[in-house]
Amino acid sequence: AQRVTQPEKLLSVFKGAPVELKCNYSYSGSPELFWYVQYSRQRLQLLLRHISRESIKGFTADLNKGETSFHLKKPFAQEEDSAMYYCALSNAGNMLTFGGGTRLMVKP
Amino acid sequence: NAGVMQNPRHLVRRRGQEARLRCSPVKGHSHVYWYRQLPEEGLKFMVYLQKENIIDESGMPKERFSAEFPKEGPSILRIQQVVRGDSAAYFCASSRRDSWGYTFGSGTRLTVV
Repeated sequence: AQRVTQPEKLLSVFKGAPVELKCNYSYSGSPELFWYVQYSRQRLQLLLRHISRESIKGFTADLNKGETSFHLKKPFAQEEDSAMYYCALSNAGNMLTFGGGTRLMVKP
Repeated sequence: NAGVMQNPRHLVRRRGQEARLRCSPVKGHSHVYWYRQLPEEGLKFMVYLQKENIIDESGMPKERFSAEFPKEGPSILRIQQVVRGDSAAYFCASSRRDSWGYTFGSGTRLTVV
């Protein structure tokens, strides 16, 4: 069975500080992993996916198969980064399994 | 194309009534997914549908919940005889058959009083 774990429900940092949102997964196959973001009162949006190896809004995430992790990082947090962040894993059947989410609060 | 449209945005029902949640996918998307977000919890998968077919309903409660995606018209998530525990945000997403990437709707917030 596949599972996604985000151990932190809330992460609070000051503006300009580095951010790391943790995500661990369990999946027997070859995973596809994603990060989604939900800003206040808005719909979920795809932030990035591991296969494209891109950086969006300064965020990056590296898939570590040995540690089964896909942590989301940003070197300098901005206030507009405050949002809910969801890590998600897809199986071969096109479905996404989401983690419980981490609320990031960036304080001025 | 306005993306995935869900309506209503807010729905209030008394215990025992029926709730119908609608989802119109992105034009050209043939896959629809429903997720539920309980207060203070993450998104939980409920059901995955293609036109006129339920592909995976492993996340649907065994009773009172049903979903359909007819050949014409929106996908419907139906909850019969609602109870307080059904109060949640229900999100719909759609995708194309041949590419990745969900597009999410804004959700329907169901409140059972």
